[in-house]
Amino acid sequence: NAGVTQTPKFRVLKTGQSMTLLCAQDMNHEYMYWYRQDPGMGLRLIHYSVGEGTTAKGEVPDGYNVSRLKKQNFLLGLESAAPSQTSVYFCASSSRASGVYNEQFFGPGTRLTVL
Amino acid sequence: GENVEQHPSTLSVQEGDSAVIKCTYSDSASNYFPWYKQELGKRPQLIIDIRSNVGEKKDQRIAVTLNKTAKHFSLHITETQPEDSAVYFCAASGSYQLTFGKGTKLSVIP
Repeated sequence: NAGVTQTPKFRVLKTGQSMTLLCAQDMNHEYMYWYRQDPGMGLRLIHYSVGEGTTAKGEVPDGYNVSRLKKQNFLLGLESAAPSQTSVYFCASSSRASGVYNEQFFGPGTRLTVL
Repeated sequence: GENVEQHPSTLSVQEGDSAVIKCTYSDSASNYFPWYKQELGKRPQLIIDIRSNVGEKKDQRIAVTLNKTAKHFSLHITETQPEDSAVYFCAASGSYQLTFGKGTKLSVIP
């Protein structure tokens, strides 16, 4: 099992460019999440999905869009990148079977720099 | 929504000493409290968790305590070792979402 994987690992963008981050999980988890991690700010939820075809906003959704066309994949899009979106992005997944005892498994992260 | 406060933000201890990290939460409906360890450049990984129907849980040198009345929970690491140096995050959940604290950078000095 690869667990949770993320593509790419690193990326440098210019202001205004767009990109898509891909998260994939092979654990058949229903729930998937995108977080951003900034120094001293912990992990902040951007968007999440409770199942294929459904998405919802988290704490810091502005400037991002997501899609979950397949159960195993969760895509995070930046339509027009801004320097404030320079961050490390983590994807996570968890099983509905765990109920409220929501152990989340994290991917290795994507380090994004916007110049 | 839920708000989780974590203290201290940095902690330095001598090897062999104990380390304690404390968190408070705001939503009385929260009933799951995991702790994640993140080494430099790596992903967060679950090290221990506690559910609201227990007050304490131990796993070798790591223990977590929960006081639901006061809405706070703590991570205790005994006999610290250099490999315990990392950033530790607490979190709280009442559903399928986790709310994280801002993290504690633990440095264990040999």
